[in-house]
Order: sequence, then C-alpha cells, then structure tokens
Amino acid sequence: SAVISQKPSRDICQRGTSLTIQCQVDSQVTMMFWYRQQPGQSLTLIATANQGSEATYESGFVIDKFPISRPNLTFSTLTVSNLSPEDSSIYLCSVEGWVFGPGTRLTVT
Amino acid sequence: AQTVTQSQPEMSVQEAETVTLSCTYDTSESNYYLFWYKQPPSRQMILVIRQEAYKQQNATENRFSVNFQKAAKSFSLKISDSQLGDTAMYFCAFMKHRSTNAGKSTFGDGTTLTVKP
Repeated sequence: SAVISQKPSRDICQRGTSLTIQCQVDSQVTMMFWYRQQPGQSLTLIATANQGSEATYESGFVIDKFPISRPNLTFSTLTVSNLSPEDSSIYLCSVEGWVFGPGTRLTVT
Repeated sequence: AQTVTQSQPEMSVQEAETVTLSCTYDTSESNYYLFWYKQPPSRQMILVIRQEAYKQQNATENRFSVNFQKAAKSFSLKISDSQLGDTAMYFCAFMKHRSTNAGKSTFGDGTTLTVKP
C-alpha cells in the first residue's frame, strides 16, 4: 500500500488567515481525497483531487473556502481559507480508498 | 446515497475478553467494500479489516474478524482477546467498488472502545 505524509502535523492559526496542508504520497496515484474530522465526530469528504483537472467538491464544501491543488500524481495541497474557529478540525489526505495520511490538526483562535 | 450506522457510541470490555462492534449500512450497490478503521488518540486512521461484498467468506486479520451479512446489510467487527492497545475509536466505512467510483468512502459516527485492565 501507498504511504502518505502530511505537513504540518498540527498548527494554531488566527481567525481570518489561511492554512495550506500538504499531502505527499510515495507512489503515483490517480485520485487523492481530502477529509475533515471535526472534534468528536466522524470523517466527512471535502473533495476529490485529480491530477490535471479541477477538484470535485462534495455538497457543503466550496472551492473558495477549500482550494485544492494537484500539480502531479504524488502531491496535493488543501488550503483552508478565511479561518474561523469552526474550521478547527483534523484534516486527512487519503488514497487508494483506504490509505490515510497521519492528519493535520488545525486549531483556530 | 449510502449511509453507515454505528448504533453503539461507546463500549467497554475487559482485557482478554471478546467484544463485538455493530455496523449497518444502506446501499443500492451490489459491488462494494466495507472497512473497519481504528483511530487511537494519535488520530492516525488505521485500516483494521476490509471486506469485499462479492466475497461470501468473512474477512479475518489475527484477532479481528467480521460477520458480514449482505442481505441484512450488516457488518460487525469482533475483537478477540482484547488488549489495552485496542482502546480507540472504531469507524465502519463503505466504499463503492473502484470500477464504478473513485474510491471515496462514507463513514459511520464511530464507536469508542475502552479495554479495561
């Protein structure tokens, strides 16, 4: 199975700023998935990132708030923009349907 | 749309005992995957076991086994000889088969399992 690394592992950000999360995979994959896990809750899919095309967003998530880049087959970034305390969550990258990165814990103050 | 239901928010078990976590799902698909993940406080999502819907044989991985009842849309996880390290949140998840979908999953709300010494 693929191995995923994410940066940063955690961050504390001021409201109104943005955070960009990086996801690096050790092999080439067609699709990468970004999930959000709010405190004490389950995982919710934000979007699917395809190399060479626009990301596909799930209901309730928009590109202006969660812009995604996918410059090649091993890398993707998720930006969480105009941060508010409600964005405090764990953000996880996933590939191959069942391989997850270690997650990025975001706290917005 | 698919839904996954875990009806047990919290469970506990004595060390060395056996515990079963419940999961039901709803789908109109005939070919799909079901998963159980473990999420310890470190937040890493760890795949515990995977079941392909077209396989009638229940999946097993060491102390972990599933009872997959396709007609009843039930997918329970049995943990035998529970260990303190099994303490974690457990998520049940559904994914359409890759041939018809990109591989995105739908998760249940999770069950917090505590193994007591």
